[in-house]
Amino acid sequence: EAQVTQNPRYLITVTGKKLTVTCSQNMNHEYMSWYRQDPGLGLRQIYYSMNVEVTDKGDVPEGYKVSRKEKRNFPLILESPSPNQTSLYFCASSLTPSGQETQYFGPGTRLLVL
Amino acid sequence: AQSVTQLGSHVSVSEGALVLLRCNYSSSVPPYLFWYVQYPNQGLQLLLKYTSAATLVKGINGFEAEFKKSETSFHLTKPSAHMSDAAEYFCAVSRGGQLTFGSGTQLTVLP
Repeated sequence: EAQVTQNPRYLITVTGKKLTVTCSQNMNHEYMSWYRQDPGLGLRQIYYSMNVEVTDKGDVPEGYKVSRKEKRNFPLILESPSPNQTSLYFCASSLTPSGQETQYFGPGTRLLVL
Repeated sequence: AQSVTQLGSHVSVSEGALVLLRCNYSSSVPPYLFWYVQYPNQGLQLLLKYTSAATLVKGINGFEAEFKKSETSFHLTKPSAHMSDAAEYFCAVSRGGQLTFGSGTQLTVLP
């Protein structure tokens, strides 16, 4: 089944404890992206990747890191999480970076930083 | 810069009534526009998209949207609401793969 998977789905952590949220897609997509969803704000893009070893900042990149060493994986790294990073995170992928491509979303990771 | 405005964070309709969710966009270039739906505890699913072909776009589950350049709008409609349509709906505009989302509209369907 074609899909985007994220792990973990739920995570509770404490301020300053490094964490990684994994994202994997099995559709051979070039483009991958991370979003955070907050009430009343919709989804905002954190980072995106046009292809392997090519990443760039989205609208809200502060406090996050990403890497794209393989085409299928795009982990999101929080080096020193803070409470304002408590949010619902979505990974997405599309076949190409073209604006008209449909982005396919993972099921989400709900993060609580205490 | 591009942006999306969704009028009405909450919309309630009766089962069988018309659904109208409003979306206005701002874009410096001809836009690609999307409507996504999010059911509780799930990711986003594409309903439909406009990619500069027909201005009336039909999507899944009986939804459609009309691109109106003069009004910079891309409103989502469905003639007859069903209980299963209760969800949050997001309008988005795309530039080079970067999606900019509106703040979302929560649709409630009343029996």
